[in-house]
Amino acid sequence: QKEVEQNSGPLSVPEGAIASLNCTYSDRGSQSFFWYRQYSGKSPELIMSIYSNGDKEDGRFTAQLNKASQYVSLLIRDSQPSDSATYLCAVLIQGAQKLVFGQGTRLTINP
Amino acid sequence: GAVVSQHPSRVICKSGTSVKIECRSLDFQATTMFWYRQFPKQSLMLMATSNEGSKATYEQGVEKDKFLINHASLTLSTLTVTSAHPEDSSFYICSANDRGREQFFGPGTRLTVL
Repeated sequence: QKEVEQNSGPLSVPEGAIASLNCTYSDRGSQSFFWYRQYSGKSPELIMSIYSNGDKEDGRFTAQLNKASQYVSLLIRDSQPSDSATYLCAVLIQGAQKLVFGQGTRLTINP
Repeated sequence: GAVVSQHPSRVICKSGTSVKIECRSLDFQATTMFWYRQFPKQSLMLMATSNEGSKATYEQGVEKDKFLINHASLTLSTLTVTSAHPEDSSFYICSANDRGREQFFGPGTRLTVL
């Protein structure tokens, strides 16, 4: 079983709709979770971090964490064509201070 | 967020040559930096963790004699790909923590070995 799993997509969402991205992880002791956005040919950009169960909102982005279910999600409201990118879920490995990434979900927002 | 730079952004070299990539934290000190490699349509693969003043910690399967890492100061880590071959062609990205749990990535270096 992979440590961090994401649906690779592609996920296609109409402009203005809500895009929902999901991620599961295997290490029950993990405490820190991140969502990165990566445009084609560019490096990842941190868009959200979440450490506690529940929701965390930042503008059009909401991260959701459920440690009991080992599940992290990212919601993008009012999706824009500029949101089209690959979204990477990352989990910080306790003690090692290193990130483990999922394979990424490719998101396309259709005008 | 914190700013991390990389140089060069793109390099093309002949097979057998060595290539050095620099990673700098511009507005913070980074005791730990990380080096990743990404092949087309794949996710990031951690190669090694670079610690200031000590030897790097390499991930399983990464040849430490081929990928030399030096973290000489709190703002600079370098990755040298020695005797590069076409299969080393990839996107190399570094990252650093600014004392917190969040990692910030440099813009990456695209290496093409002919």
